[in-house]
Amino acid sequence: DAGVIQSPRHEVTEMGQEVTLRCKPISGHNSLFWYRQTMMRGLELLIYFNNNVPIDDSGMPEDRFSAKMPNASFSTLKIQPSEPRDSAVYFCASSSRDNNQPQHFGDGTRLSIL
Amino acid sequence: AQSVTQPDIHITVSEGASLELRCNYSYGATPYLFWYVQSPGQGLQLLLKYFSGDTLVQGIKGFEAEFKRSQSSFNLRKPSVHWSDAAEYFCAVAPGYSSASKIIFGSGTRLSIRP
Repeated sequence: DAGVIQSPRHEVTEMGQEVTLRCKPISGHNSLFWYRQTMMRGLELLIYFNNNVPIDDSGMPEDRFSAKMPNASFSTLKIQPSEPRDSAVYFCASSSRDNNQPQHFGDGTRLSIL
Repeated sequence: AQSVTQPDIHITVSEGASLELRCNYSYGATPYLFWYVQSPGQGLQLLLKYFSGDTLVQGIKGFEAEFKRSQSSFNLRKPSVHWSDAAEYFCAVAPGYSSASKIIFGSGTRLSIRP
């Protein structure tokens, strides 16, 4: 079975540039989650979608961050403009909304903003 | 508000020794409880989950966890660790009506294995 697929795996860019992270959830899953992981703050939920609709974006740090889910098989997390403090590993996870179904994580995108 | 506490930031055990990682949660009702493992450079992988029923749950890789309502705990155990168990372990809690909704993760416990 194909798991959650994230791209790119690594991204290094200069501050001020636009960064786009991509996620393909597991087929059939209708909930999608974006997380950020840093040493200082641990694993933080940024936003999650149910059936392509954003449900809770209270974890999005500021307006520079935006996320979209145009269809059930694709989501993006965009940072514009990027700043060095955005450097982190960003994870995407998906799950079924049926009860008792846990989240499945991708391998993450390691983002470095210089 | 629900929360998860993993009191041990880093634990080192000898290969072959037993392991227990602690997890305490705060939630008004019976939550869904999870343990995830994260190896370096990878995402989180589900080890086991508790929703209801038997309070001792078995997971993958020889791990088990016991739900103790009276102590609000969900400790992870393994009778004999292997070097490949070195990783970061996360306890997590979700509202009892849907595990697909907002999960709260603990801060993690890093496990090192002494040869």
